[in-house]
Amino acid sequence: RKEVEQDPGPFNVPEGATVAFNCTYSNSASQSFFWYRQDCRKEPKLLMSVYSSGNEDGRFTAQLNRASQYISLLIRDSKLSDSATYLCVVNANSGANNLFFGTGTRLTVIP
Amino acid sequence: DTGVSQNPRHKITKRGQNVTFRCDPISEHNRLYWYRQTLGQGPEFLTYFQNEAQLEKSRLLSDRFSAERPKGSFSTLEIQRTEQGDSAMYLCASSLGTRGLWNEQFFGPGTRLTVL
Repeated sequence: RKEVEQDPGPFNVPEGATVAFNCTYSNSASQSFFWYRQDCRKEPKLLMSVYSSGNEDGRFTAQLNRASQYISLLIRDSKLSDSATYLCVVNANSGANNLFFGTGTRLTVIP
Repeated sequence: DTGVSQNPRHKITKRGQNVTFRCDPISEHNRLYWYRQTLGQGPEFLTYFQNEAQLEKSRLLSDRFSAERPKGSFSTLEIQRTEQGDSAMYLCASSLGTRGLWNEQFFGPGTRLTVL
């Protein structure tokens, strides 16, 4: 079983729409959770960390459900510039140093 | 540019040849990571250095792969006797490691390897 599973999409949404991505992780001992963004042929960049209490950064909201081992990302009022692949990422525990990435969910925002 | 840099950006080689990639991390970062990414997949962890010490290696890192970070600054990743299955984007990342805490990993632009 993969460490992190997410729907690869693609998600094609009109500008202004709200879109949600989900992923699940297999290791219940996982401690740190993130969403990374990767543009076509570019390197991944940290979008936001995901905290147990949930957190928001502008139009982006991340949620964590430890009981279900489930992470979500909500994007409100989608912009054309949000078109990218969104990678769900898990760090196994606070002492581990490598990240486990999902396959990524591809989002295209259509004018 | 003070980000992570990687060279070369692209490498095309014939099966059986050896290739070497270089990564220059952000200057004050003590941790350096190598990942591999194939089309349609997320990056997969290969190996990790803290300063010059190689502390973790994935089972993906076969005997044909070797990584070094001799002075705790730049790192090289060598693949011997390349195979077509080695074709991928090789990503390097660095972070300022603090014991017990996770610090953001910053990725370089990657080296795209094509094995013919």
